[in-house]
Amino acid sequence: GQQLNQSPQSMFIQEGEDVSMNCTSSSIFNTWLWYKQEPGEGPVLLIALYKAGELTSNGRLTAQFGITRKDSFLNISASIPSDVGIYFCAGQLGSAGNMLTFGGGTRLMVKP
Amino acid sequence: DAMVIQNPRYQVTQFGKPVTLSCSQTLNHNVMYWYQQKSSQAPKLLFHYYDKDFNNEADTPDNFQSRRPNTSFCFLDIRSPGLGDAAMYLCATSRSGSPLHFGNGTRLTVT
Repeated sequence: GQQLNQSPQSMFIQEGEDVSMNCTSSSIFNTWLWYKQEPGEGPVLLIALYKAGELTSNGRLTAQFGITRKDSFLNISASIPSDVGIYFCAGQLGSAGNMLTFGGGTRLMVKP
Repeated sequence: DAMVIQNPRYQVTQFGKPVTLSCSQTLNHNVMYWYQQKSSQAPKLLFHYYDKDFNNEADTPDNFQSRRPNTSFCFLDIRSPGLGDAAMYLCATSRSGSPLHFGNGTRLTVT
């Protein structure tokens, strides 16, 4: 089925560095979501974006809904060790059933 | 305060022995989903219930079935688990047009 292109696949950074990851799609979405998944846990919703061009922050996290509705990015500022995990973007059309299309994930590793 | 609760967290079953995974929610969401997630991959949708209406993904094997006896509960039945069915199984819920909320998953091992 359809898949979002998420990059990078993995990042290994030093504590305190800023992080940026993004997702692109060939199709338009009405909603972009960013989830974080830690080992052995389910994905947890970080940020939801509902309008093209929308820029939303959640603490050290900032995400934007691309103006073309085909892309989104997530930035994490001043990374800390507990930021470790896999970050998934997901596009949602918002129609009945709310199907999500997931990106392949970005595995973030933070060196103290 | 868990809102989407999956039991058990870990399940071991034998090859070919039927197994049932359960999910309950306290959010009163009308849509419930089952996803399969294999190591280092994105979750893959198996099926979902929109209210009482069951919707199967085209590539979900017949070996996988689901039941939703009421708004709060949903079950995943694997009739004859194979080694390839070992995975994390995630339940999620949502209201129409809203983001999905996931449970913590059940990790299934098939021996």
